[in-house]
Amino acid sequence: GEDVEQSLFLSVREGDSSVINCTYTDSSSTYLYWYKQEPGAGLQLLTYIFSNMDMKQDQRLTVLLNKKDKHLSLRIADTQTGDSAIYFCAETIPSGGSYIPTFGRGTSLIVHP
Amino acid sequence: DTEVTQTPKHLVMGMTNKKSLKCEQHMGHRAMYWYKQKAKKPPELMFVYSYEKLSINESVPSRFSPECPNSSLLNLHLHALQPEDSALYLCASSQETGRLNTEAFFGQGTRLTVV
Repeated sequence: GEDVEQSLFLSVREGDSSVINCTYTDSSSTYLYWYKQEPGAGLQLLTYIFSNMDMKQDQRLTVLLNKKDKHLSLRIADTQTGDSAIYFCAETIPSGGSYIPTFGRGTSLIVHP
Repeated sequence: DTEVTQTPKHLVMGMTNKKSLKCEQHMGHRAMYWYKQKAKKPPELMFVYSYEKLSINESVPSRFSPECPNSSLLNLHLHALQPEDSALYLCASSQETGRLNTEAFFGQGTRLTVV
């Protein structure tokens, strides 16, 4: 998790937008991912973006990438209580000819009514 | 079918026991992974299999022994574990590891408690 940094907590009111931020260190072309983990469950791939893109939108989710600053964000519009979970930013790190998903520490999103 | 299935969901074992965790996928993926996740921490890579061969071992203690019997199955054999090995063990798969676009699909995990 040292290569990918995230803030640990975010609390929002239901209906508001949530913005979860991430910084990464690998400067080569890469794919960047957002995963969601609900309590006691595995990781669900939400969306991904290639490093030559600035933005990707998928329904309520918007991913913004600032390649110069190595900064990635996930915006969730109209946040619902069901969005409460831990959100992990991940990037593929080259390792001996393989590309391995490597995760940030995760941001706990708490949505309150 | 985009599922990765892990069994069992929960496992309690003593330090002298031998047990196995199982993982299965039918997406035709040729890369499979074991990750270990402690509470409030990110998943940490343990092993990677590529085309049924072990390609990465992240200096995991020998009390964890992975096995890939075929391209759909991945096992993790456990022997003489310690209480600090208690964690959520996650299996994942992806098309292959040689692609920059390595979308990994995860199972629900096995919650392991060592007593």
